[in-house]
Amino acid sequence: EAGVAQSPRYKIIEKRQSVAFWCNPISGHATLYWYQQILGQGPKLLIQFQNNGVVDDSQLPKDRFSAERLKGVDSTLKIQPAKLEDSAVYLCASSFGTSPGGTQYFGPGTRLLVL
Amino acid sequence: AQSVAQPEDQVNVAEGNPLTVKCTYSVSGNPYLFWYVQYPNRGLQFLLKYITGDNLVKGSYGFEAEFNKSQTSFHLKKPSALVSDSALYFCAGGSGGSYIPTFGRGTSLIVHP
Repeated sequence: EAGVAQSPRYKIIEKRQSVAFWCNPISGHATLYWYQQILGQGPKLLIQFQNNGVVDDSQLPKDRFSAERLKGVDSTLKIQPAKLEDSAVYLCASSFGTSPGGTQYFGPGTRLLVL
Repeated sequence: AQSVAQPEDQVNVAEGNPLTVKCTYSVSGNPYLFWYVQYPNRGLQFLLKYITGDNLVKGSYGFEAEFNKSQTSFHLKKPSALVSDSALYFCAGGSGGSYIPTFGRGTSLIVHP
């Protein structure tokens, strides 16, 4: 089966610009996650969707970050305006079920550099 | 609050020797625990997980992990390391009340030829 797809793989922008990342989860996976991974740290959850509803966005900086999963399949994460500290790898993951402890499958990530 | 700790930033081992990458956890209730591996410029790949059952969990690429409730640990092990095992390893865990696992900081495993 095809894995989690993400695009673009790399993005360089200047601070205060906007950027969007796209994710297509594994077919049939109900749950989709966006993580931020800063160099030298483990992934930090930004937002979790279950189908097209938000389950957890408590760590999403809502003044600048937004995400949607309108049809319950693919998802877009946007940053507007970007700050220097947003430089990180943005990982998308999906899981089949909706229960705690479900195995997450990760995409290759989008590496963002904000200058 | 749940937490996962990986006390070693880096582990060095010679090829053919056994390897251990350490992980300890702190969660309320019964834990679920994962190990993931990340190669350069790649996403995280699932290695194995513990939910319930046998304390020794076998996973991909010859890796295994032992769940130790009394020591709140979930160390990753492999009997004979390969150079190709060199990568960044992440432990993650949570409890039944949390849908989202907490990730450790990661441990860089370097296997020398």
